[in-house]
Amino acid sequence: LAKTTQPISMDSYEGQEVNITCSHNNIATNDYITWYQQFPSQGPRFIIQGYKTKVTNEVASLFIPADRKSSTLSLPRVSLSDTAVYYCLVVLSGGYNKLIFGAGTRLAVHP
Amino acid sequence: GAVVSQHPSWVICKSGTSVKIECRSLDFQATTMFWYRQFPKQSLMLMATSNEGSKATYEQGVEKDKFLINHASLALSTLTVTGAHPEDSSFYICSVTSGTSGSNEQFFGPGTRLTVL
Repeated sequence: LAKTTQPISMDSYEGQEVNITCSHNNIATNDYITWYQQFPSQGPRFIIQGYKTKVTNEVASLFIPADRKSSTLSLPRVSLSDTAVYYCLVVLSGGYNKLIFGAGTRLAVHP
Repeated sequence: GAVVSQHPSWVICKSGTSVKIECRSLDFQATTMFWYRQFPKQSLMLMATSNEGSKATYEQGVEKDKFLINHASLALSTLTVTGAHPEDSSFYICSVTSGTSGSNEQFFGPGTRLTVL
């Protein structure tokens, strides 16, 4: 499983766009890039998953360059409730594959 | 997505006793469940993969005789911490996966906070 590297922490203010970049230099052909969000004392929650280019859902966008060695999670107009830890994971496509969590990025949104 | 529950949400026990944590998939037949442990301010650490009707697969460094996993039905997996010690105090989280080709989304339970005195 490819190792991921992301900033330990980030700060932002309400209404701003937040971009969290993750590097995964050793990503394999069959790997997907997945992001999870975790609030204190709760289980993680799936945010978005992508393989290449851009993926968008009602919560976030995921940008993946052609070489797929990095990805950027974009949270538009964050609010205080977006304060959480965000994990970038590289996951083998399909099946019952385990997730290996890295350190994650602790995002703090300020008023 | 799948709805996953855990019971209890928190538990306090004395050192040396055993504690059972339940993970239920409420609306989804989960042939595979995962168990994680998370210490304060740290990331999730995968402990084991629980397979319905067969033995669990433990990650390196996780004592299978201390952390007993039983997955007797498609809706329920249990984690029993035997001979608990204060260092076992942690947040235990389970998850289920749909196993759908091309999708690896896992649905996590709310977690169980274990405190060993």
